[in-house]
Amino acid sequence: TQLLEQSPQFLSIQEGENLTVYCNSSSVFSSLQWYRQEPGEGPVLLVTVVTGGEVKKLKRLTFQFGDARKDSSLHITAAQPGDTGLYLCAGARAGNNRKLIWGLGTSLGVNP
Amino acid sequence: DSGVTQTPKHLITATGQRVTLRCSPRSGDLSVYWYQQSLDQGLQFLIQYYNGEERAKGNILERFSAQQFPDLHSELNLSSLELGDSALYFCASSSGTSPGNTIYFGEGSWLTVV
Repeated sequence: TQLLEQSPQFLSIQEGENLTVYCNSSSVFSSLQWYRQEPGEGPVLLVTVVTGGEVKKLKRLTFQFGDARKDSSLHITAAQPGDTGLYLCAGARAGNNRKLIWGLGTSLGVNP
Repeated sequence: DSGVTQTPKHLITATGQRVTLRCSPRSGDLSVYWYQQSLDQGLQFLIQYYNGEERAKGNILERFSAQQFPDLHSELNLSSLELGDSALYFCASSSGTSPGNTIYFGEGSWLTVV
């Protein structure tokens, strides 16, 4: 059983479209991170959210942490081919400060 | 460039063999993590070391072992290799031990077991 469920698993869209991907759990997290991984490379941290209800923006990317700190979403506005990659969420569970829990990721393809 | 260096980048070996993957963390980082990534299992945490000591253990098989040396570089040893061990192995580093710290990943070592 995945503690962090990411959806959708795969997404293929056209350049200029908007999209939202989700990271859900029944567990509470003290913090949650989003990473993007491009083919042949390691994941790269995009953002860390720590407060319930927190919204962070990174250019065209908007990250939200759920009020109960059990879920998060990533919204991309006007997607570009450069956004193509695997989006991973990873959470630090409240009360367990030793390990990050990783989702399986959403593989995004943006077609020009 | 994350500053984390992994060698080798690609490795092909036979079942039953043993390999060693090497990692140099970012300058100044004391924590080193090892991850395994495969298509069906996603990114799986194997083990973390902090300043030479084992800090946290994940889904690491008994056939696998790791260590962090005084100069902070780390090695992951994989023995009695099986076909299912074929995967991308990442090393990552961070400055501290908190899972909320930013983790910097290397480019990975592709292991193919034939």
